[in-house]
Amino acid sequence: QVQLQQSGPGLVKPSQTLSLTCAISGDSVSSNTAAWNWIRQSPSRGLEWLGRTYYRSKWYNDYAVSVKSRITVNPDTSKNQFSLQLNSVTPEDTAVYYCARGGGHTSTWDFDYWGQGTLVTVSS
Amino acid sequence: QSALTQPASVSGSPGQSITISCTGTSSDVGSHNLVSWYQQHPGKAPKLMIYEASKRPSGVSNRFSGSKSGSTASLTISGLQAEDEADYYCCSYAGSITFVVFGGGTKLTVL
Repeated sequence: QVQLQQSGPGLVKPSQTLSLTCAISGDSVSSNTAAWNWIRQSPSRGLEWLGRTYYRSKWYNDYAVSVKSRITVNPDTSKNQFSLQLNSVTPEDTAVYYCARGGGHTSTWDFDYWGQGTLVTVSS
Repeated sequence: QSALTQPASVSGSPGQSITISCTGTSSDVGSHNLVSWYQQHPGKAPKLMIYEASKRPSGVSNRFSGSKSGSTASLTISGLQAEDEADYYCCSYAGSITFVVFGGGTKLTVL
């Protein structure tokens, strides 16, 4: 059974960097069939896919156009986890952030396991 | 404004069937069979209910079914139960620039 456990601060100041980590159990961040995603949810923006990392003989990343200039998703193979960094945050980045696995089936674009969610508030 | 259009709410009585539509474009739902549906109860993470438009993950009740025609996907729930009351979201692959789009969500009320 795959489990994703999120950690990170719930409050970030404007212009600073939002950092979250997602620890994986029951699968590997280096899996050749999975992809590891960050998705956020807010009342104003709904569900929004942010980005992912995945391994297919080498590491790849894909990012949403809306955050591409500010986002980094990195794997950490030593701890079997992956992370989200979102720079230069504004109050618009206030949301519940989820990590999620894609690739439990044929495609990596359905998300079959999710973390518990982290409410991140951007405020001074 | 979400990329995929869903009705804001639907309702039905226990035992009845309901269908939630998800309308996209030729760039997303219309071009790919990679449509998924998620159920979300308050304060919980979304749960995958349907993938690749019509496939059900292991453990999901066969009361849930999905279909797609052109740029519109649909989720049907038959034999409504009180526990089905939740928000439902559709999601589609949208190509190698946009990648993923979600619907705005539909609140299902079981009367």
